[in-house]
Amino acid sequence: EVQLVESGGGLVQPGGSLRLSCTASGFIFSDYWMTWVRQAPGKGLEWVALINQDGIEKYHEESVKGRFTISRDNAKNSLDLQMNSLRIDDTAVYYCARDLVVSATHDWFDAWGQGTLVTVSS
Amino acid sequence: DIQLTQSPSTLSASVGDRVTITCRASQSIGSWLAWYQQKPGKAPKLLIYKASSLQTGVPSTFSGSGSGSEFTLTISSLQPDDFATYYCQHWLTFGGGTKVEIK
Repeated sequence: EVQLVESGGGLVQPGGSLRLSCTASGFIFSDYWMTWVRQAPGKGLEWVALINQDGIEKYHEESVKGRFTISRDNAKNSLDLQMNSLRIDDTAVYYCARDLVVSATHDWFDAWGQGTLVTVSS
Repeated sequence: DIQLTQSPSTLSASVGDRVTITCRASQSIGSWLAWYQQKPGKAPKLLIYKASSLQTGVPSTFSGSGSGSEFTLTISSLQPDDFATYYCQHWLTFGGGTKVEIK
């Protein structure tokens, strides 16, 4: 059974840092692109970051560029999101998801974690 | 960047109703659209990919159609478990969501 389990969320002050992790099981982690998607309270889904199978290709949403960094450790079946210079509007539930990328711009997210809540507040 | 516009944003329906949700893309995206269902406090769940392919385990009451820039998600007979919010997605963009409420 495919499982994705996020951890690392919590309460942090504006300007602070947090590192989210996602541990994968039930599939060959190194075969898949992986992504982070977030959802602010009461709002819709927003893509945050994407990484390819070997961790060389990385993409970040414009509002998090320079502040967030996606990475992965295929030996540990782990996906991370390092979040620095956090802002109040980064408050959201953060989901990791498996991304079935068929080709450029052709994909869908077929497995999701349960999410981890990040609250940025003073 | 491609924008995805869903309509309606909220839909009130009864059990047994046929329900249709529309997703319009700001430019042609071929058949590269997916649909997700999300219940409160839960992660999204993939329903449909490549516009009309049903994800394994999803009831056949769900179907997707369309290509180019206009797509629809149809629930042929709404069940109590189907009251949720639905999102369309293309590449790194999601639609704004459609909440299906009990009438």
